[in-house]
Amino acid sequence: AQSVTQLGSHVSVSEGALVLLRCNYSSSVPPYLFWYVQYPNQGLQLLLKYTTGATLVKGINGFEAEFKKSETSFHLTKPSAHMSDAAEYFCAVSGGVGGTSYGKLTFGQGTILTVHP
Amino acid sequence: SQTIHQWPATLVQPVGSPLSLECTVEGTSNPNLYWYRQAAGRGLQLLFYSVGIGQISSEVPQNLSASRPQDRQFILSSKKLLLSDSGFYLCAWSVRGPEKLFFGSGTQLSVL
Repeated sequence: AQSVTQLGSHVSVSEGALVLLRCNYSSSVPPYLFWYVQYPNQGLQLLLKYTTGATLVKGINGFEAEFKKSETSFHLTKPSAHMSDAAEYFCAVSGGVGGTSYGKLTFGQGTILTVHP
Repeated sequence: SQTIHQWPATLVQPVGSPLSLECTVEGTSNPNLYWYRQAAGRGLQLLFYSVGIGQISSEVPQNLSASRPQDRQFILSSKKLLLSDSGFYLCAWSVRGPEKLFFGSGTQLSVL
């Protein structure tokens, strides 16, 4: 069984400030971890993913996340927020390899990021 | 390139009415297909997934059903909608191999 906890349903930052969105997971198998972004009335877009290998993962739009197994965390960061980053962000975990596992993601509750000028 | 189409974008239905949401994928063969729902103030919940034509697995008991009449077509249905069926429904697909899920643009369903 897997679960994802996103700490903070709303995060507000100023333009140019650091963005930090927190995600903790639990998984009985080595996890695959994902961050998705959702703009209003749109589907989800993959920001980045961790499967194996390097624990610091770089994604689109300047975002990155670090897999920390000891802390069961996969926090999303961006050094300098832009107004266009305002959206809802979802952390997700899947059970890893094989079959439908990739699509059977368990999502967190989501974090709405607001960027102030 | 692969694309996923989902319609309608918005839908307002009365309680007790039927529902049919359709999703089609282009540019790939034999994809895994998924229906997710995002209820207001909640995360995404997997409702159904399919690994092939006519093969449907349900993740949670509910008032909804899914069908896959063709390889790249996935339909979400209900005979009688409930208020609790309101939400944002997302279709998604993946291939067996790459660890990536592609989402449609979603349908905002309001049951009144």
